[in-house]
Amino acid sequence: AQSVTQPDIHITVSEGASLELRCNYSYGATPYLFWYVQSPGQGLQLLLKYFSGDTLVQGIKGFEAEFKRSQSSFNLRKPSVHWSDAAEYFCAVGPYYGGSQGNLIFGKGTKLSVKP
Amino acid sequence: DSGVTQTPKHLITATGQRVTLRCSPRSGDLSVYWYQQSLDQGLQFLIHYYNGEERAKGNILERFSAQQFPDLHSELNLSSLELGDSALYFCASSPTPRVGGDTEAFFGQGTRLTVV
Repeated sequence: AQSVTQPDIHITVSEGASLELRCNYSYGATPYLFWYVQSPGQGLQLLLKYFSGDTLVQGIKGFEAEFKRSQSSFNLRKPSVHWSDAAEYFCAVGPYYGGSQGNLIFGKGTKLSVKP
Repeated sequence: DSGVTQTPKHLITATGQRVTLRCSPRSGDLSVYWYQQSLDQGLQFLIHYYNGEERAKGNILERFSAQQFPDLHSELNLSSLELGDSALYFCASSPTPRVGGDTEAFFGQGTRLTVV
């Protein structure tokens, strides 16, 4: 069955420190991979996505993620965290081409707190 | 602003009642996806409509139903409400039948349902 695991429920980092949020997926083929961010009281905003090509993808707000097929991982990174990055982050997989299902499958999210 | 509009933003109702949540997708998007976000279950896919037709069902209870109208807006109907139905309900839209490749899903800000 398709699934996404985000092993860290809550992470706290100091402002200016680096950040890595983990995501592992289980899927029958090479999936489309996404990271979304949800600020309090807001909807989900797409940070970045991977569907082919270079395994290191750049997103908005200075985030990047690396797809590692051998590890079934798609970890999100940021070299220097800002207080405004405090939010909940969701990793998601999308359907492979030719599949009948069209929706995203989400992990349970990682809540990021930023210490001043 | 994602361009996806959900109404109402907040809804408080009593157990046993029925409510309707409304979603207007981005202009030109034919797909509408409904998700339920709760603390214990995370983001659960409920149902997907494409151009008026149901495409896929996820973990949607029989007490819940949805439809997509000719103008492409969608409604999610929740009946015989229980305390456990309290959650944030998101709608997302995309132009194609599936999310992936260069197609992403755009999320509304959600409807927070509280059942008392």
